[in-house]
Amino acid sequence: RKEVEQDPGPFNVPEGATVAFNCTYSNSASQSFFWYRQDCRKEPKLLMSVYSSGNEDGRFTAQLNRASQYISLLIRDSKLSDSATYLCVVNLLGGGYQKVTFGIGTKLQVIP
Amino acid sequence: ETGVTQTPRHLVMGMTNKKSLKCEQHLGHNAMYWYKQSAKKPLELMFVYSLEERVENNSVPSRFSPECPNSSHLFLHLHTLQPEDSALYLCASSQEFATVGSNQPQHFGDGTRLSIL
Repeated sequence: RKEVEQDPGPFNVPEGATVAFNCTYSNSASQSFFWYRQDCRKEPKLLMSVYSSGNEDGRFTAQLNRASQYISLLIRDSKLSDSATYLCVVNLLGGGYQKVTFGIGTKLQVIP
Repeated sequence: ETGVTQTPRHLVMGMTNKKSLKCEQHLGHNAMYWYKQSAKKPLELMFVYSLEERVENNSVPSRFSPECPNSSHLFLHLHTLQPEDSALYLCASSQEFATVGSNQPQHFGDGTRLSIL
């Protein structure tokens, strides 16, 4: 099983739609989680951290489900500018060691 | 505007050339990272430096040689690369490395797109 798994997509959704991505992780000891956005041929940029209680930033909502070992990203009222690849990042920390694992990314295409 | 700058943005080199990639972070961070991003693959962590000491080397071939002269600068020296090394090389930094309980994201540079002829 891969350490971090994402559906690569593409997800093609119309403007205004709500879309959700999941990301599963294999190590139950993972401690911190992030969603990054990467535009074509650009660097990844932090979109939001994922907190245990769930968190929201405008149209974006991130949630963590430790029992089932996945995180999710919900985008409401999709805009054309949301078209990008969304990368899930999982951090495992302990004993002075940190392992950062990226998912392959889920490609979102918002269509007019 | 990114707090992490990488140069050059693009690099084409032959397999026998020697070149270096440069990364500079202006964020006052203590940890810096090199990643490789190939098409249809997740980002692969190559090297990690914390307070100028290498703390992780993920089985990267010796033709890649990192150097961290200070906490703001990171280099990746390239020598005798192979065609499969063509990829986007991303530098990142974070405030600290391996702080238990922390929630420290990494900030990325624009990357260097490397093509090996």
